[in-house]
Amino acid sequence: DVKVTQSSRYLVKRTGEKVFLECVQDMDHENMFWYRQDPGLGLRLIYFSYDVKMKEKGDIPEGYSVSREKKERFSLILESASTNQTSMYLCAAYRTDTGELFFGEGSRLTVL
Amino acid sequence: QKEVEQNSGPLSVPEGAIASLNCTYSDRGSQSFFWYRQYSGKSPELIMFIYSNGDKEDGRFTAQLNKASQYVSLLIRDSQPSDSATYLCAVNHNQGGKLIFGQGTELSVKP
Repeated sequence: DVKVTQSSRYLVKRTGEKVFLECVQDMDHENMFWYRQDPGLGLRLIYFSYDVKMKEKGDIPEGYSVSREKKERFSLILESASTNQTSMYLCAAYRTDTGELFFGEGSRLTVL
Repeated sequence: QKEVEQNSGPLSVPEGAIASLNCTYSDRGSQSFFWYRQYSGKSPELIMFIYSNGDKEDGRFTAQLNKASQYVSLLIRDSQPSDSATYLCAVNHNQGGKLIFGQGTELSVKP
């Protein structure tokens, strides 16, 4: 199975701070995704990437950006954190041969 | 209309019973279908996927797909308290991994 590692399980940041959420996968897969999950709203796609240097907006990209400098690493950036970005953030990598999406353990961000 | 719909629950079943979880989707071009289980405070983990009409069995779990009616279901036989979790249905349109998720059904298995 694909192993997806998110650098921080819990973060507390202040409004206006810049936040980096890092995600690394170990199976050389091209396709990686960032979701956020909120009660009552389910999983919502923020950004995804099908290759190095490539990025595409998901359903809720506002307030976020991403970086994919190496195939194994996909970072989510909050340029200026706001309280409405308090959420659980989930990174995922896609295994093309089986169609399976593997998630990291999640990063729970609180913005005060 | 939401693209992938599930009853939010909670669905409560007694231990040993069959739990039936349902999901409908709107895009007829959808090609692959997934069931994820998510324990509270944890990330989703894949438990079943199905591509073709009919049933697919894996241990106590059976996924059922009916593309004509645009629904997919998950049956859990001999339900255990450890099956208590939220079950997410997900649909893939383009094989690129960009899944569309339902909001999840919370299952509670009572001892």
